[in-house]
Amino acid sequence: EAQVTQNPRYLITVTGKKLTVTCSQNMNHEYMSWYRQDPGLGLRQIYYSMNVEVTDKGDVPEGYKVSRKEKRNFPLILESPSPNQTSLYFCASSRESGANVLTFGAGSRLTVL
Amino acid sequence: GEDVEQSLFLSVREGDSSVINCTYTDSSSTYLYWYKQEPGAGLQLLTYIFSNMDMKQDQRLTVLLNKKDKHLSLRIADTQTGDSAIYFCAENLGYSTLTFGKGTMLLVSP
Repeated sequence: EAQVTQNPRYLITVTGKKLTVTCSQNMNHEYMSWYRQDPGLGLRQIYYSMNVEVTDKGDVPEGYKVSRKEKRNFPLILESPSPNQTSLYFCASSRESGANVLTFGAGSRLTVL
Repeated sequence: GEDVEQSLFLSVREGDSSVINCTYTDSSSTYLYWYKQEPGAGLQLLTYIFSNMDMKQDQRLTVLLNKKDKHLSLRIADTQTGDSAIYFCAENLGYSTLTFGKGTMLLVSP
């Protein structure tokens, strides 16, 4: 089944403890992206990647890192999480052609205490 | 900067039509999309429309695009309780980078 898989789905952590949210897609998509969803703010893009070894900042990149060493994986790294990074995170991917339809993962709900 | 704007909430009765409206920012947007988010789930594509079209119909869904006013609407005919969800409008400003509205929560009552 074509899908975007995120892990973990739920995580509670403490301020300053580094964490990684993994994202993997099995559709051979060139483009991958991370969004965060917050009440009243909708979806905001954190980082995106047009292809392997090519990443760029979105609208809200502060406090996050990403890497794209392989086409299928696009992990989101929080080096020193803070409570304002408590949010629902979505990874998405698409083919870089046609209608560029994004396929989303199921989401990762992160709480930073 | 300008945002993709949507009304935040819509309540309808089962069997009625629902119309969700959106204004987008860039007249050069190539594609415009409607995504649906059910509780506890990710976003799923409902439909999209290419910018050179005025209307697209897909079963119960009708999308209307007014490029002059940068206005996009989604009409759901015969709305069912299973249509209760958050609906996001999005525009494609280039490649796969989409800008989303804040979402419209649709509540369908029996």
